[in-house]
Amino acid sequence: KAGVTQTPRYLIKTRGQQVTLSCSPISGHRSVSWYQQTPGQGLQFLFEYFSETQRNKGNFPGRFSGRQFSNSRSEMNVSTLELGDSALYLCASSLGAASLQETQYFGPGTRLLVL
Amino acid sequence: QKEVEQNSGPLSVPEGAIASLNCTYSDRGSQSFFWYRQYSGKSPELIMSIYSNGDKEDGRFTAQLNKASQYVSLLIRDSQPSDSATYLCAVNGAGSYQLTFGKGTKLSVIP
Repeated sequence: KAGVTQTPRYLIKTRGQQVTLSCSPISGHRSVSWYQQTPGQGLQFLFEYFSETQRNKGNFPGRFSGRQFSNSRSEMNVSTLELGDSALYLCASSLGAASLQETQYFGPGTRLLVL
Repeated sequence: QKEVEQNSGPLSVPEGAIASLNCTYSDRGSQSFFWYRQYSGKSPELIMSIYSNGDKEDGRFTAQLNKASQYVSLLIRDSQPSDSATYLCAVNGAGSYQLTFGKGTKLSVIP
Protein backbone atom coordinates (compact mmCIF):
# COMPACT_ATOMS: atom_id res chain seq x y z
CA LYS A 1 0.00 0.00 0.00
CA ALA A 2 1.41 3.38 -0.96
CA GLY A 3 2.23 5.78 1.81
CA VAL A 4 1.34 9.42 2.29
CA THR A 5 2.61 11.62 -0.53
CA GLN A 6 3.25 15.34 -0.40
CA THR A 7 4.05 17.77 -3.17
CA PRO A 8 6.13 19.71 -3.75
CA ARG A 9 9.00 18.49 -1.58
CA TYR A 10 10.84 21.82 -1.58
CA LEU A 11 9.71 25.38 -2.13
CA ILE A 12 11.38 28.76 -2.06
CA LYS A 13 9.14 31.80 -1.86
CA THR A 14 9.53 35.46 -1.00
CA ARG A 15 7.75 37.43 1.68
CA GLY A 16 4.21 38.42 0.76
CA GLN A 17 3.68 35.57 -1.69
CA GLN A 18 1.27 32.75 -1.12
CA VAL A 19 1.83 29.00 -1.36
CA THR A 20 -0.27 25.87 -1.74
CA LEU A 21 0.89 22.48 -0.52
CA SER A 22 -0.73 19.18 -1.42
CA CYS A 23 -1.14 15.90 0.45
CA SER A 24 -2.52 12.54 -0.70
CA PRO A 25 -3.33 10.19 2.19
CA ILE A 26 -2.91 6.45 2.38
CA SER A 27 -5.62 4.68 0.41
CA GLY A 28 -8.68 4.19 2.64
CA HIS A 29 -7.68 6.91 5.08
CA ARG A 30 -10.19 9.72 5.34
CA SER A 31 -8.50 11.99 7.85
CA VAL A 32 -5.67 14.36 6.99
CA SER A 33 -3.83 16.42 9.58
CA TRP A 34 -1.30 19.15 8.93
CA TYR A 35 1.63 20.10 11.16
CA GLN A 36 4.34 22.73 11.06
CA GLN A 37 7.77 21.75 12.33
CA THR A 38 10.44 24.31 13.22
CA PRO A 39 13.62 23.86 15.27
CA GLY A 40 12.36 26.20 17.98
CA GLN A 41 8.74 25.15 18.33
CA GLY A 42 8.85 21.52 17.32
CA LEU A 43 5.79 19.92 15.73
CA GLN A 44 2.70 22.10 15.98
CA PHE A 45 -0.78 21.11 14.87
CA LEU A 46 -2.36 23.25 12.16
CA PHE A 47 -5.69 21.57 11.35
CA GLU A 48 -7.40 18.27 10.62
CA TYR A 49 -9.89 17.39 7.91
CA PHE A 50 -12.29 14.48 7.60
CA SER A 51 -14.82 14.00 4.82
CA GLU A 52 -14.11 17.48 3.48
CA THR A 53 -14.84 19.10 6.87
CA GLN A 54 -12.38 20.74 9.21
CA ARG A 55 -12.85 19.04 12.58
CA ASN A 56 -10.08 20.67 14.56
CA LYS A 57 -7.83 23.69 14.25
CA GLY A 58 -4.64 24.71 16.02
CA ASN A 59 -3.52 28.17 17.11
CA PHE A 60 -2.33 29.58 13.83
CA PRO A 61 -3.37 32.86 12.18
CA GLY A 62 -6.01 32.95 9.48
CA ARG A 63 -3.29 33.16 6.82
CA PHE A 64 -3.11 29.39 7.19
CA SER A 65 -6.03 27.60 5.61
CA GLY A 66 -6.81 24.22 4.19
CA ARG A 67 -9.35 22.11 2.42
CA GLN A 68 -10.06 18.50 1.63
CA PHE A 69 -11.49 17.04 -1.53
CA SER A 70 -13.95 14.18 -1.98
CA ASN A 71 -11.07 11.77 -2.70
CA SER A 72 -9.54 12.71 0.72
CA ARG A 73 -6.64 14.59 -0.86
CA SER A 74 -5.93 17.78 1.03
CA GLU A 75 -4.31 21.11 0.35
CA MET A 76 -3.09 23.78 2.70
CA ASN A 77 -2.55 27.38 1.73
CA VAL A 78 -0.46 30.05 3.37
CA SER A 79 -1.10 33.60 2.22
CA THR A 80 1.08 36.67 2.71
CA LEU A 81 4.13 34.63 3.61
CA GLU A 82 6.38 35.78 6.44
CA LEU A 83 9.99 34.82 7.16
CA GLY A 84 8.78 32.89 10.21
CA ASP A 85 6.72 30.60 8.00
CA SER A 86 9.91 28.87 6.89
CA ALA A 87 9.45 25.34 8.17
CA LEU A 88 8.87 21.72 7.35
CA TYR A 89 5.16 21.18 6.71
CA LEU A 90 4.03 17.66 7.44
CA CYS A 91 0.86 15.93 6.49
CA ALA A 92 -0.37 12.87 8.37
CA SER A 93 -3.16 10.52 7.41
CA SER A 94 -5.32 8.24 9.51
CA LEU A 95 -8.58 6.34 9.24
CA GLY A 96 -10.41 9.16 11.00
CA ALA A 97 -12.38 7.06 13.45
CA ALA A 98 -11.05 8.91 16.52
CA SER A 99 -10.79 5.57 18.26
CA LEU A 100 -8.20 4.68 20.87
CA GLN A 101 -6.07 2.98 18.24
CA GLU A 102 -6.27 5.83 15.74
CA THR A 103 -2.73 6.20 14.40
CA GLN A 104 -1.32 8.92 12.20
CA TYR A 105 1.21 8.19 9.47
CA PHE A 106 3.34 11.00 8.16
CA GLY A 107 4.27 11.97 4.64
CA PRO A 108 7.81 13.07 3.68
CA GLY A 109 6.98 16.74 4.22
CA THR A 110 7.35 19.92 2.22
CA ARG A 111 10.27 22.12 3.18
CA LEU A 112 9.34 25.77 2.69
CA LEU A 113 11.91 28.54 2.71
CA VAL A 114 10.68 32.13 2.75
CA LEU A 115 13.22 34.75 1.72
CA GLN B 1 -3.07 24.09 27.32
CA LYS B 2 -2.08 20.49 26.77
CA GLU B 3 1.65 19.99 27.14
CA VAL B 4 4.03 17.15 26.48
CA GLU B 5 7.50 17.44 27.97
CA GLN B 6 10.64 15.61 26.94
CA ASN B 7 14.28 16.04 27.85
CA SER B 8 15.82 17.54 24.72
CA GLY B 9 19.12 15.72 25.23
CA PRO B 10 21.31 14.90 23.55
CA LEU B 11 21.28 11.49 25.19
CA SER B 12 24.44 9.55 24.41
CA VAL B 13 24.67 5.81 24.99
CA PRO B 14 27.29 3.26 23.90
CA GLU B 15 26.39 0.66 21.31
CA GLY B 16 24.70 -2.34 22.91
CA ALA B 17 23.44 -0.38 25.93
CA ILE B 18 19.85 0.38 26.90
CA ALA B 19 18.57 3.84 25.97
CA SER B 20 15.79 5.22 28.15
CA LEU B 21 13.64 8.05 26.84
CA ASN B 22 11.06 9.76 29.02
CA CYS B 23 7.97 11.87 28.47
CA THR B 24 5.42 13.52 30.75
CA TYR B 25 2.06 14.97 29.76
CA SER B 26 -0.29 17.43 31.38
CA ASP B 27 -3.75 16.32 30.21
CA ARG B 28 -5.14 13.62 32.50
CA GLY B 29 -7.74 12.80 29.85
CA SER B 30 -5.08 11.61 27.42
CA GLN B 31 -5.72 8.08 26.26
CA SER B 32 -3.39 7.24 23.38
CA PHE B 33 0.37 7.56 23.43
CA PHE B 34 2.84 7.25 20.59
CA TRP B 35 6.56 7.23 20.01
CA TYR B 36 7.86 8.44 16.67
CA ARG B 37 11.44 8.36 15.43
CA GLN B 38 12.71 11.15 13.20
CA TYR B 39 16.01 11.00 11.39
CA SER B 40 17.61 14.31 10.46
CA GLY B 41 15.91 15.77 7.40
CA LYS B 42 13.20 13.10 7.36
CA SER B 43 9.61 12.88 8.56
CA PRO B 44 8.49 11.15 11.78
CA GLU B 45 8.09 7.38 11.62
CA LEU B 46 5.85 5.51 14.08
CA ILE B 47 7.70 3.11 16.40
CA MET B 48 5.22 2.23 19.13
CA SER B 49 1.78 3.00 20.40
CA ILE B 50 0.44 2.26 23.90
CA TYR B 51 -3.00 2.74 25.41
CA SER B 52 -3.08 0.92 28.77
CA ASN B 53 -0.93 1.09 31.87
CA GLY B 54 2.06 -1.21 31.87
CA ASP B 55 4.62 -2.34 29.35
CA LYS B 56 4.33 -3.10 25.66
CA GLU B 57 7.21 -4.79 23.89
CA ASP B 58 8.02 -4.88 20.19
CA GLY B 59 11.41 -6.31 19.32
CA ARG B 60 14.12 -4.17 20.91
CA PHE B 61 11.59 -1.51 21.90
CA THR B 62 9.50 -1.37 25.09
CA ALA B 63 6.99 1.36 25.80
CA GLN B 64 5.90 1.92 29.39
CA LEU B 65 2.83 3.86 30.47
CA ASN B 66 1.86 5.10 33.93
CA LYS B 67 -1.32 7.16 33.71
CA ALA B 68 -1.39 7.95 37.44
CA SER B 69 2.01 9.62 37.11
CA GLN B 70 1.22 10.94 33.63
CA TYR B 71 4.41 9.42 32.38
CA VAL B 72 5.35 7.40 29.32
CA SER B 73 8.76 6.05 28.43
CA LEU B 74 10.53 4.20 25.65
CA LEU B 75 13.34 1.73 26.26
CA ILE B 76 15.61 0.68 23.42
CA ARG B 77 17.60 -2.46 24.19
CA ASP B 78 20.88 -3.35 22.44
CA SER B 79 21.10 0.18 21.01
CA GLN B 80 22.61 0.44 17.54
CA PRO B 81 24.18 3.42 15.77
CA SER B 82 21.21 3.29 13.38
CA ASP B 83 18.98 4.18 16.37
CA SER B 84 20.60 7.62 16.47
CA ALA B 85 17.70 9.98 15.79
CA THR B 86 15.27 12.31 17.52
CA TYR B 87 12.47 10.51 19.36
CA LEU B 88 9.14 12.28 19.58
CA CYS B 89 6.49 11.52 22.19
CA ALA B 90 2.92 12.24 21.08
CA VAL B 91 -0.31 12.19 23.04
CA ASN B 92 -3.96 12.05 21.95
CA GLY B 93 -6.97 12.81 24.14
CA ALA B 94 -10.23 10.89 24.16
CA GLY B 95 -12.14 11.46 20.93
CA SER B 96 -9.50 13.96 19.87
CA TYR B 97 -8.32 14.33 16.32
CA GLN B 98 -5.16 16.14 17.33
CA LEU B 99 -1.80 14.81 18.42
CA THR B 100 0.21 16.94 20.83
CA PHE B 101 3.95 16.39 20.44
CA GLY B 102 6.88 16.90 22.73
CA LYS B 103 9.88 18.65 21.26
CA GLY B 104 11.79 15.41 21.08
CA THR B 105 14.88 13.82 22.62
CA LYS B 106 17.95 13.50 20.43
CA LEU B 107 19.60 10.11 20.91
CA SER B 108 23.16 9.41 19.87
CA VAL B 109 24.43 5.81 19.96
CA ILE B 110 28.22 5.75 20.05
CA PRO B 111 29.92 2.79 18.26
